[in-house]
Amino acid sequence: DAKTTQPTSMDCAEGRAANLPCNHSTISGNEYVYWYRQIHSQGPQYIIHGLKNNETNEMASLIITEDRKSSTLILPHATLRDTAVYYCIVRVNSGNTPLVFGKGTRLSVIA
Amino acid sequence: GAGVSQTPSNKVTEKGKYVELRCDPISGHTALYWYRQSLGQGPEFLIYFQGTGAADDSGLPNDRFFAVRPEGSVSTLKIQRTERGDSAVYLCASSLTPTIGYSGYTFGSGTRLTVV
Repeated sequence: DAKTTQPTSMDCAEGRAANLPCNHSTISGNEYVYWYRQIHSQGPQYIIHGLKNNETNEMASLIITEDRKSSTLILPHATLRDTAVYYCIVRVNSGNTPLVFGKGTRLSVIA
Repeated sequence: GAGVSQTPSNKVTEKGKYVELRCDPISGHTALYWYRQSLGQGPEFLIYFQGTGAADDSGLPNDRFFAVRPEGSVSTLKIQRTERGDSAVYLCASSLTPTIGYSGYTFGSGTRLTVV
């Protein structure tokens, strides 16, 4: 079962920052937080992951609280193409332990 | 190839028939995963291959489902005696096997299976 809780859906105005929350209150010390997204009719796409420090790449930023019980994925300037289901996943970072997906958050970016 | 390729993209079959779904992973990716996704749900893990062997098949729902990867590259998911409840999108992903750190999964676009 997924170890994360996310809102079912969110809206965001085009050009604004999209902030997607995730609760993972039972996260273990060796588990990382991963984010994937799935655009309609495509397979999921890796976005970013982190352990306890904030992370940033060309797609997004990941902010993890100090107690690691929650995190926020930030898309700094959302576009219509960012409309997708966003999945927050916790997983040990060893070998190839399969990802366990929950239902995710359906983000709708509105013009 | 440049990405993970899954064929066919769509498959309609009659209840009780046998189907095979194919996955061509990214060249050099040693790990391969199969997932199943029903409407409105996140992907559900089925089986994971490391090389030619199934490292974890705990997600296969029953013995009608079987997967192979004989040469450590292409994989085939086989479903016997299909049921209407098997209708879903079947996703395949591949990744490198890092000795340190994490390698993101690359997913294919899936095969949409419809059992009528």
